[in-house]
Amino acid sequence: GAVVSQHPSRVICKSGTSVKIECRSLDFQATTMFWYRQFPKQSLMLMATSNEGSKATYEQGVEKDKFLINHASLTLSTLTVTSAHPEDSSFYICSARDSLGELFFGEGSRLTVL
Amino acid sequence: DAKTTQPTSMDCAEGRAANLPCNHSTISGNEYVYWYRQIHSQGPQYIIHGLKNNETNEMASLIITEDRKSSTLILPHATLRDTAVYYCIVRVAALSAYGNKLVFGAGTILRVKS
Repeated sequence: GAVVSQHPSRVICKSGTSVKIECRSLDFQATTMFWYRQFPKQSLMLMATSNEGSKATYEQGVEKDKFLINHASLTLSTLTVTSAHPEDSSFYICSARDSLGELFFGEGSRLTVL
Repeated sequence: DAKTTQPTSMDCAEGRAANLPCNHSTISGNEYVYWYRQIHSQGPQYIIHGLKNNETNEMASLIITEDRKSSTLILPHATLRDTAVYYCIVRVAALSAYGNKLVFGAGTILRVKS
């Protein structure tokens, strides 16, 4: 099946710094990618929809200035958590949509903000 | 997309069939039933999907009732590695312009025990 890779898989940063997480579709082109956040023992929460070459669409309650999303190519989307704080610590997961409309998920990136 | 209701958790003996139910009484005629699972600290993994006919693949079988208001995911011979959170999601067809994103509910925690 199609492969979606996230990097880094784990990151620890200090409060106030910014962290970038990459999501790559390795063997297909993805015009649309999605970013989710998951807190411990909770389900995945959709944060935003990222379309190649256009601005991301954010779900209600998600701060677009804090979670910057860039989808500059058909195989790469990035999520930047700006001025991270401990409450931003979470498991961030991306998914990518292939040409048939099916969705494939990355392995997730665990962010810990100290 | 229609909402789904799943039991919070289930236990299953190793080697036995695991039957995971899902209620989706408000499903629309153009909505499919999708199943994903998430093993701890990993991204979701696609299992199977169907519209109204029963489906089977190498991982599982999906039984959808005739009125489509509920379905059951069957893992025929559960192993310890099948311990995960299983999500039942209904969404419009993948190729639909509105069928892009997946919204996750709470899912069912399946514990396979030896």
